[in-house]
Amino acid sequence: RKEVEQDPGPFNVPEGATVAFNCTYSNSASQSFFWYRQDCRKEPKLLMSVYSSGNEDGRFTAQLNRASQYISLLIRDSKLSDSATYLCVVPLTGGFKTIFGAGTRLFVKA
Amino acid sequence: NAGVTQTPKFRILKIGQSMTLQCAQDMNHNYMYWYRQDPGMGLKLIYYSVGAGITDKGEVPNGYNVSRSTTEDFPLRLELAAPSQTSVYFCASSYRTGGNEKLFFGSGTQLSVL
Repeated sequence: RKEVEQDPGPFNVPEGATVAFNCTYSNSASQSFFWYRQDCRKEPKLLMSVYSSGNEDGRFTAQLNRASQYISLLIRDSKLSDSATYLCVVPLTGGFKTIFGAGTRLFVKA
Repeated sequence: NAGVTQTPKFRILKIGQSMTLQCAQDMNHNYMYWYRQDPGMGLKLIYYSVGAGITDKGEVPNGYNVSRSTTEDFPLRLELAAPSQTSVYFCASSYRTGGNEKLFFGSGTQLSVL
């Protein structure tokens, strides 16, 4: 099993749709989790942090399920500007190693 | 606000050539990192530094070297470029680690080795 696994997509959705991505992780000791957004050929930028059961920021909701070892990202009312790759990021405790998922590509169409 | 500055943005090398990727941050962050990202893949840690004079290997250090003489600068050296080093390189910094800190990334260097 990969340390962090994401559905690569792409997800093609119309404007206004709700879309959800899942990310599974293998290290049960991981305490914090992150979603980064990466635009084409650009650097990753932090979208949301998840430390407990979940986090909500406007149209974006991140949820954590420790029992099943996955985190999810829900985007409501999708905008054209949401088109990007979303990276699931899992820092490993006790060190400097941070595992980046390969990313899920989202295309929002008019 | 400059943040993390990387140079150059693009570079083409011939096999066996050497080069240095520059990275500088002006946020007084202790921790700095070098990642590489291959097409369709996640970022992999090459080297990291916890402060001036202290560096350590990450997941994929072979073929690279780093130094950290100041808090601000963290250059990455490729000594004998190989086609396998064709990738996009990102430098990042954070105030501290422990897994709870936001990473600030530079804009990346796209390197091709032919």
